[in-house]
Amino acid sequence: DAGVTQSPTHLIKTRGQQVTLRCSPKSGHDTVSWYQQALGQGPQFIFQYYEEEERQRGNFPDRFSGHQFPNYSSELNVNALLLGDSALYLCASSWGSIYSGYTFGSGTRLTVV
Amino acid sequence: KNEVEQSPQNLTAQEGEFITINCSYSVGISALHWLQQHPGGGIVSLFMLSSGKKKHGRLIATINIQEKHSSLHITASHPRDSAVYICAVSERGTGNQFYFGTGTSLTVIP
Repeated sequence: DAGVTQSPTHLIKTRGQQVTLRCSPKSGHDTVSWYQQALGQGPQFIFQYYEEEERQRGNFPDRFSGHQFPNYSSELNVNALLLGDSALYLCASSWGSIYSGYTFGSGTRLTVV
Repeated sequence: KNEVEQSPQNLTAQEGEFITINCSYSVGISALHWLQQHPGGGIVSLFMLSSGKKKHGRLIATINIQEKHSSLHITASHPRDSAVYICAVSERGTGNQFYFGTGTSLTVIP
């Protein structure tokens, strides 16, 4: 049973470009949350998707957007990349409420140069 | 404002030592989570607590809801325990959003 799968694992982009990160949730999970983890910091909540809609959003600008597909997989899009967007982007999946359990992916390391 | 504070930030221990990592939080929570993150970045859930104490192997997690404080203990530490340990809370009433601490980087020396 596959856990959460994120792709790509590493990515280098140039400032001003756009990037799309992908997440496939654990089998049986229907909710996907995205987090940004800067070096030496704890993860920060970006947003959460459930039933193909953004259910909650953290304190991130509109340059960060997402999507959830009918198969529950999700994408995180970041436009007009800034150097400060360099971070590890983590995806976590759960079923409904997190109180029923959640699983993190291994993350995508984004470097903006 | 940090909803979750962890201490210490860095910790170096000799193999076999008893280790304690502390976590304090400022919001009402539905659950507190202890997570382990290895250098590759992947996060593994160790414990989810809403009260009392849980034990898994050499790991023990406790929580005091009244004091808004939790501790993670590692008995008989081993070099393979070297990792970043992160405390996270899910805030009561906001559903599924986590607040994370900045993590404690643990190095266990043989």
